[in-house]
Amino acid sequence: DAGVIQSPRHEVTEMGQEVTLRCKPISGHNSLFWYRQTMMRGLELLIYFNNNVPIDDSGMPEDRFSAKMPNASFSTLKIQPSEPRDSAVYFCASSLGFNQPQHFGDGTRLSIL
Amino acid sequence: AQSVTQLGSHVSVSEGALVLLRCNYSSSVPPYLFWYVQYPNQGLQLLLKYTSAATLVKGINGFEAEFKKSETSFHLTKPSAHMSDAAEYFCAAGGGSNYKLTFGKGTLLTVNP
Repeated sequence: DAGVIQSPRHEVTEMGQEVTLRCKPISGHNSLFWYRQTMMRGLELLIYFNNNVPIDDSGMPEDRFSAKMPNASFSTLKIQPSEPRDSAVYFCASSLGFNQPQHFGDGTRLSIL
Repeated sequence: AQSVTQLGSHVSVSEGALVLLRCNYSSSVPPYLFWYVQYPNQGLQLLLKYTSAATLVKGINGFEAEFKKSETSFHLTKPSAHMSDAAEYFCAAGGGSNYKLTFGKGTLLTVNP
């Protein structure tokens, strides 16, 4: 079975540019999560969707970050404008619901110069 | 609020030795507990999960974990370490109606030949 698919795997761009990260969750999963991982802060939950609806975006660092889930098989995380401090690995994860294991993609390594 | 503490950010063992990675949680509700492994440049992969069916949980790659309610612990063990076990390990906890998983800060396991 296909796991969570993220693209691109690596992104290098200059400060001020728009960055779009993409995620395809596992088919049938109704919960989707975006995380950010850094050495300093570890794994941080950015936003949670349930049945394509954003439920909790309290982890989104600021208005420069936005996320959408137009359908059950696709989600995007956008940063506009990007800043060097946004450099991190961004993970998408999906699950079957409450207290179920989350299945992670391989992440997008983002570098903002 | 839920919290997860992993004792020891770095554990080093010899090949063939016992692996013990410690995890303590705090929860006012029956917990759901997970261990994940992260290899370099990959996402988190589920090792095992505790969902109250049995206190001793067996996972992939020969790992197991024991849930001890009195100690609020969920330590991960493997009788004999292999070089391929070198990775970072994360303990995570959920529970009740909280969709969020709270992750520990991770333990980096090094296996020496």
